[in-house]
Amino acid sequence: AQSVTQLGSHVSVSEGALVLLRCNYSSSVPPYLFWYVQYPNQGLQLLLKYTTGATLVKGINGFEAEFKKSETSFHLTKPSAHMSDAAEYFCAVTLGAGANNLFFGTGTRLTVIP
Amino acid sequence: DSGVTQTPKHLITATGQRVTLRCSPRSGDLSVYWYQQSLDQGLQFLIQYYNGEERAKGNILERFSAQQFPDLHSELNLSSLELGDSALYFCASSGQGNNSPLHFGNGTRLTVT
Repeated sequence: AQSVTQLGSHVSVSEGALVLLRCNYSSSVPPYLFWYVQYPNQGLQLLLKYTTGATLVKGINGFEAEFKKSETSFHLTKPSAHMSDAAEYFCAVTLGAGANNLFFGTGTRLTVIP
Repeated sequence: DSGVTQTPKHLITATGQRVTLRCSPRSGDLSVYWYQQSLDQGLQFLIQYYNGEERAKGNILERFSAQQFPDLHSELNLSSLELGDSALYFCASSGQGNNSPLHFGNGTRLTVT
């Protein structure tokens, strides 16, 4: 079975500080991993995805994530937080190649303190 | 704007009733997915349709059903509603390629009283 675990349901950072949102996955097949962001009263928007190839993936809005197979992790980072980054972030995994339905983690709410 | 349209935005109904949620996918997308987001369960995959046919099933209750029509829009039908069905229901669509990203609508907020 595939699943993701997001450590920390709430994370607070100061504006300009490093953002680190943690995600660990469990998968019996090579995983396809995603980060989505949800702003209030909106749907989910894709930030970045890892399928194959380069393990460091760059996404929109200055975010990036690194796939580490040895640690079964796919943590999301951004060097400098901006007020507009305040949102809920979801890590997700597919069941493998050819399966588009995503299984999501429980989400991490990011607060940015001015 | 993701290009995925969901209607209505809000729905308030009573227990035991039946409602229909509607989704229009992005132009050209053949796959439609339904997700339920609630405070206690998080984001749960319900069901996927591809070009009119059911492709994958997740944690969808027997009281719930969905279909995708020839024009590719989809409807999620929820019947015998219970208080616990109150949630945000999202529709998403994707293109034909393996692991094409999902594009989400803004959701329908269902409140069962």
